[in-house]
Amino acid sequence: EEQLVESGGGLIQPGGSLRLSCAASGFSVSEIYMTWVRQAPGKGLEWVSVIYRGGETVYADSVMGRFTFSRDNSKNTVYLQMNSLRAEDTAVYYCARGTVGTTLLVRWGQGTRVTVSS
Amino acid sequence: EIVLTQSPATLSLSPGERATLSCRASQSVSSNYLAWYQQKPGQAPRLLIYDASKGAAGIPARFSGSGSGTDFTLTIRRLEPDDFAVYYCQQYSTSTLTFGGGTTVEIK
Repeated sequence: EEQLVESGGGLIQPGGSLRLSCAASGFSVSEIYMTWVRQAPGKGLEWVSVIYRGGETVYADSVMGRFTFSRDNSKNTVYLQMNSLRAEDTAVYYCARGTVGTTLLVRWGQGTRVTVSS
Repeated sequence: EIVLTQSPATLSLSPGERATLSCRASQSVSSNYLAWYQQKPGQAPRLLIYDASKGAAGIPARFSGSGSGTDFTLTIRRLEPDDFAVYYCQQYSTSTLTFGGGTTVEIK
């Protein structure tokens, strides 16, 4: 059975850093597109970043230059390194599994909450 | 960036009624790469429809999608109590995927 488990969220001060992890099982993260999506409290879904099979990454303008999406194939895990965090980054962060060639979000993790506050 | 506009923002219906949700794109969605997701409070979204009209695995037949180009529709044929939730459309035709603002289907 396919599963995604996020971890690493928490309370962090503005300007700080966090690294989110998303451990996958039942499929290989190196063979499909993986995506991070976030949801601020009471708001809708916002795409954050995608990593393609070849390792290329694309970012939303709101996080470009501050967030880095990476992958460890040996651990079947993807990561989101978040630096220079701002209050507006406060959200539940979801990782989601795409397909071989699209960012259709076939399966989602349960999410991890990030709160940026002093 | 393709902007997706969902309407209405809120739909108040009774169980057994038909729900029709709209998603309009600011430009044509190539290959009809348009999906619909359902989200309940405290839960992650769940894929319902992909490629505009194909049902995802395990999704009841009362959920159907239609449309092409810039206008798409999600129809829930006969609402069941479990269907009251928020629904989002998403396009995955470009490298910068986007979501609509969501439609809340609430019990009347």
